[in-house]
Amino acid sequence: QVQLVQSGAEVKKPGSSVKVSCKASGGTFSSYTISWVRQAPGQGLEWMGRIIPMFGTTNYAQKFQGRVTITADESTSTAFMELSTLTSEDAAVYYCARDGASVMDFWGQGTLVTVSS
Amino acid sequence: DIQMTQSPSSLSASVGDRVTITCRASQSISSYLNWYQQKPGKAPNLLIYAASSLQSGVPSRFSGSGSGADFTLTISSLQPEDFATYYCQQSYSTPYTFGQGTKLEIK
Repeated sequence: QVQLVQSGAEVKKPGSSVKVSCKASGGTFSSYTISWVRQAPGQGLEWMGRIIPMFGTTNYAQKFQGRVTITADESTSTAFMELSTLTSEDAAVYYCARDGASVMDFWGQGTLVTVSS
Repeated sequence: DIQMTQSPSSLSASVGDRVTITCRASQSISSYLNWYQQKPGKAPNLLIYAASSLQSGVPSRFSGSGSGADFTLTISSLQPEDFATYYCQQSYSTPYTFGQGTKLEIK
């Protein structure tokens, strides 16, 4: 059974960056894709991008291009999502999910990011 | 980007009711359509993948159908634990996109 455990809540100032981690256990980390999805308060789900750890290949939603960086460390089975130049509109819960054959079947518990001066 | 439109946005129903939620894509996505359930404060939970395949561990009262651009999620007999928000999501192409959600409430 795959389990994804994310890092804890963050409070950031506008203009700064945040880096969220997602540690996987179960399965073979390098063989699957990790996607990142966010959810602003009271809003729907928004896909940000994904990484294939085995190859290090990424693709990002155009909306976040240039501001998001998704990386992975195979040695620790951990994926990371870094979002820069934060504004109040980036306040959200950020989720990682295993993306197996284009199906997000296992999800992390979510990480709340608050942006406040 | 492919736009996903769900209807209705909210729905009131009673335990035991049969409920149907629809999802329409802005273009054909074959059967690359997934359904998720989300409860307050929790991560989404995969219910249906590839339009009609039931995820392991999901009760059989949940079913999905459709292909091309029009899809449905049906709950055959609502149980108290089914009151939640439901999202469709296309995985035909990136960026993956979600419907706006359907909030299922107790009547």
